[in-house]
Amino acid sequence: NAGVTQTPKFRVLKTGQSMTLLCAQDMNHEYMYWYRQDPGMGLRLIHYSVGEGTTAKGEVPDGYNVSRLKKQNFLLGLESAAPSQTSVYFCASSQRTIPNRDTQYFGPGTRLTVL
Amino acid sequence: AQTVTQSQPEMSVQEAETVTLSCTYDTSESNYYLFWYKQPPSRQMILVIRQEAYKQQNATENRFSVNFQKAAKSFSLKISDSQLGDTAMYFCAFITSNTGNQFYFGTGTSLTVIP
Repeated sequence: NAGVTQTPKFRVLKTGQSMTLLCAQDMNHEYMYWYRQDPGMGLRLIHYSVGEGTTAKGEVPDGYNVSRLKKQNFLLGLESAAPSQTSVYFCASSQRTIPNRDTQYFGPGTRLTVL
Repeated sequence: AQTVTQSQPEMSVQEAETVTLSCTYDTSESNYYLFWYKQPPSRQMILVIRQEAYKQQNATENRFSVNFQKAAKSFSLKISDSQLGDTAMYFCAFITSNTGNQFYFGTGTSLTVIP
């Protein structure tokens, strides 16, 4: 049982390049989330998914797209990377049923630098 | 608006001593859940303790306990018998029943345990 895993762990992009971050969970969780963490700020929600085939915007969705084609995977895409997207990205998952839904399990994070 | 405030950016404590990290929050909801997460240098977010707002009894998990003051919207974390492994960034967070898909995080407190 690996929990939540993220690929890659580090990445450096040039402005305008695209990339996809992969999040995978093996806990059969319905809900999955993408956050970004910037210095001096708490985690901010980018997008989330409440089930396979569904996604929704969070607090800071601009410049990102997501897809949830399989229940265990949640992909975060950057179509045209900008230096403002330099950050550490965390994926998380949780169960659907209350009250377990409120406990999120986090992946180890991906450090992305956009030059 | 839902907000979380951690007013102590950095703290330190001697090994084996007790330290308290403060957190205040703001929400108009009556039903919500509060959390403390730990983020060690490995960057992975680890759940430390969880408190349901409808419960008056303060949550405890081994050396970790909270002081939950609902009227004051205060949720402090006490770490007893501090250990070197407690050195990490600590984040306070909450989720409400009406914003069931989004966590709100504070900006974090960096705790250093001094041997």
